[in-house]
Amino acid sequence: AQTVTQSQPEMSVQEAETVTLSCTYDTSESDYYLFWYKQPPSRQMILVIRQEAYKQQNATENRFSVNFQKAAKSFSLKISDSQLGDAAMYFCAYSAGNMLTFGGGTRLMVKP
Amino acid sequence: GAVVSQHPSWVICKSGTSVKIECRSLDFQATTMFWYRQFPKQSLMLMATSNEGSKATYEQGVEKDKFLINHASLTLSTLTVTSAHPEDSSFYICSAAGRGRIRELSQYFGPGTRLLVL
Repeated sequence: AQTVTQSQPEMSVQEAETVTLSCTYDTSESDYYLFWYKQPPSRQMILVIRQEAYKQQNATENRFSVNFQKAAKSFSLKISDSQLGDAAMYFCAYSAGNMLTFGGGTRLMVKP
Repeated sequence: GAVVSQHPSWVICKSGTSVKIECRSLDFQATTMFWYRQFPKQSLMLMATSNEGSKATYEQGVEKDKFLINHASLTLSTLTVTSAHPEDSSFYICSAAGRGRIRELSQYFGPGTRLLVL
């Protein structure tokens, strides 16, 4: 079974600084997708970024980028120029089809 | 694009009653819908997966007679919590994946429903 591990239950970052959230996963599949979802206090799950495993280039979405290391099964999220609105729970997720397997989440706090 | 609505957002009911939660994809065809449950400060737990026109597939440990799921159209899925008890109190989230002007194989989430059973 696939597992997703987020080893950092909580992280904090100063406003305007950069923070990296870690995620590792375990799978025997070669073709799959990886996601980062944000869940702010409203609890609405928001898709932040996704990475196709067959693509070597790391995905980027504005201030959000990933470091995808397929051999190491690592998928970290970098948030640049952190903003107060980035404070939320962040979930890493894996999918080899339609189903998502979520990590336990990392709570990100942004200090003004 | 990729908007999923969920109704109601909040529901309080008495023990023993049934509660229906609706999940709608507003601007795309949801060929597959998912229902999750989330306890405070925990991750999402998949309850069941439903494909339009087919019976839902339930995860191990989820009672299919208690959590009835209907996915009758490409834009609507419903979750009915039957004979609700206080231990069913939780945050329920639906998501949808499908086709249209969205990224395939990505799930888009509804805003969730808080259920409190007294």
